[in-house]
Amino acid sequence: NAGVTQTPKFQVLKTGQSMTLQCAQDMNHEYMSWYRQDPGMGLRLIHYSVGAGITDQGEVPNGYNVSRSTTEDFPLRLLSAAPSQTSVYFCASSLRTGGGTGELFFGEGSRLTVL
Amino acid sequence: AQTVTQSQPEMSVQEAETVTLSCTYDTSESDYYLFWYKQPPSRQMILVIRQEAYKQQNATENRFSVNFQKAAKSFSLKISDSQLGDAAMYFCAYRDLNYGGATNKLIFGTGTLLAVQP
Repeated sequence: NAGVTQTPKFQVLKTGQSMTLQCAQDMNHEYMSWYRQDPGMGLRLIHYSVGAGITDQGEVPNGYNVSRSTTEDFPLRLLSAAPSQTSVYFCASSLRTGGGTGELFFGEGSRLTVL
Repeated sequence: AQTVTQSQPEMSVQEAETVTLSCTYDTSESDYYLFWYKQPPSRQMILVIRQEAYKQQNATENRFSVNFQKAAKSFSLKISDSQLGDAAMYFCAYRDLNYGGATNKLIFGTGTLLAVQP
């Protein structure tokens, strides 16, 4: 059981470049989300999705786009990378939206450096 | 808006000893979940323990237990018989119970880095 898979695990970009962080889960989870982790700031929610075709903004959405065309996949796109987007990114999913325990299952994280 | 505060950026404990990590939160809700996540150097986020606010009994998972004080909005994590493998960043997190709501959004504290001395 693969759980939540993120790729790539490491990436270096130049300012202005674009890239996509991939996230896939094989647990048939309804809810998926992206967080970024910065020193001294914990994890902050970027975007989330409550099902295929439905996405919404979190706490720090600027500079990021998402889409959810299937239940399994939730890619995060940086259209024009900036040094302020240097961070560790986590994809996380849970079985369903609302109710339940809401336990999030996390991917292994992707370290992104923007020069 | 809900907030989570971890006032101890770093803690240290001797192997086999007990350590308590502090967490306070602010919410106007009466039903919610609280979590402790562990992040070892591998970066993986691992759920340590979960507490439902409507349960008065403190949650326990082997050597890990919590002291949940709802009125004080406090949720501390106690690690007994500390082991070298417990060395990690620990995050406290909050989630609304959110019946019929739109998200499973977790609000995280800033983390406490725990060192275990042999």
